[in-house]
Amino acid sequence: EDKVVQSPLSLVVHEGDTVTLNCSYEVTNFRSLLWYKQEKKAPTFLFMLTSSGIEKKSGRLSSILDKKELFSILNITATQTGDSAVYLCAVVGYGGSQGNLIFGKGTKLSVKP
Amino acid sequence: GAGVSQSPRYKVAKRGQDVALRCDPISGHVSLFWYQQALGQGPEFLTYFQNEAQLDKSGLPSDRFFAERPEGSVSTLKIQRTQQEDSAVYLCASSLRANQGSGNTIYFGEGSWLTVV
Repeated sequence: EDKVVQSPLSLVVHEGDTVTLNCSYEVTNFRSLLWYKQEKKAPTFLFMLTSSGIEKKSGRLSSILDKKELFSILNITATQTGDSAVYLCAVVGYGGSQGNLIFGKGTKLSVKP
Repeated sequence: GAGVSQSPRYKVAKRGQDVALRCDPISGHVSLFWYQQALGQGPEFLTYFQNEAQLDKSGLPSDRFFAERPEGSVSTLKIQRTQQEDSAVYLCASSLRANQGSGNTIYFGEGSWLTVV
């Protein structure tokens, strides 16, 4: 059965800390892995990863994929209170359809001032 | 519009009532998805459309759930005889192409928050 597992499920840090969020997966016919940030509304897209070893960066956020070990990490440096959110990892596989995104349960990040 | 639009944003339904949730995807997007997200959980797949064709409905939890996209743009998710366990956020998402892979980002709407009392 296809699955995506994120860890930790929740994390509390202080402003300025660096955090690493983990996502491991087992998916039939892997296509890509996506990271989303979800506050109290729609998940907003952060990164799409398709190739191993190539780091994607956007400001203080970065992510990398390891297709051999079947995981990805999302790093946030110099965290700010505005980074507080649920971070969702999702994998596109071919499972039962061409379009199915399989989500993990998310990591709830709380950044304290 | 610029993004995926969903309505209503919030819906309170009495148990047994039928509800209809609407999704306007980004114009020109071929793929449309519905997800159900319970409190504290990640979104769970319900169904997928490629244009007007419903290619996968394996995630619909029961035959009380029905989705359509008759003209390949706007989609409606209908839930008949709502139950308390149907309370969740229903997220709609769309993407430009049919083939989900490199460079084909999936964009989410803000969700319809359904509470069944």
